[in-house]
Amino acid sequence: GENVEQHPSTLSVQEGDSAVIKCTYSDSASNYFPWYKQELGKRPQLIIDIRSNVGEKKDQRIAVTLNKTAKHFSLHITETQPEDSAVYFCAASIRTGTASKLTFGTGTRLQVTL
Amino acid sequence: KAGVTQTPRYLIKTRGQQVTLSCSPISGHRSVSWYQQTPGQGLQFLFEYFSETQRNKGNFPGRFSGRQFSNSRSEMNVSTLELGDSALYLCASSKTGTSGPYGETQYFGPGTRLLVL
Repeated sequence: GENVEQHPSTLSVQEGDSAVIKCTYSDSASNYFPWYKQELGKRPQLIIDIRSNVGEKKDQRIAVTLNKTAKHFSLHITETQPEDSAVYFCAASIRTGTASKLTFGTGTRLQVTL
Repeated sequence: KAGVTQTPRYLIKTRGQQVTLSCSPISGHRSVSWYQQTPGQGLQFLFEYFSETQRNKGNFPGRFSGRQFSNSRSEMNVSTLELGDSALYLCASSKTGTSGPYGETQYFGPGTRLLVL
């Protein structure tokens, strides 16, 4: 089955700096890659996603890049703010017929310090 | 639209008991997936239901089971609880049935935090 590795497990940056989280996947059939943010005690919230037919997607301070050949994708957060502090999960999805299955990375705890 | 809801939010049980958790998906969503979240293991996929049928299953023992009703609401049951079953149980819904080759976005509920003593 699909395996998703995520690095680093913890990341501390100063407010205003950039943060980068990297994930690799094993199954070349994966074609949808969402990123979720989970604040303490809350549900995972989708923050950005990318399909395999594009290499990069941006939404304000957040961007995701995908390298299908190398089977890795990354989350980039620019101008970090204290409210960006949370656990971030990457995931990879394979679609079979009408079913799709998400496999998650192990998460990155991002701490933005003042 | 109302989001995914889960009940109860918190639950305390003792070893050997069984528990049933409930999930109501976003209106119009037909697929419900269940995940176990623990600090050491992250988000582990339990199973997925669509049209009252289990469509995908993760690597969990048979003590973990689920079902889906005709209104897409889903329940999961854990029998003979063990201490290691203490976790946050999350369900997520997706629309499914749409055309196209790409995986679908899943939207999570707030979770049920289960503590087994």
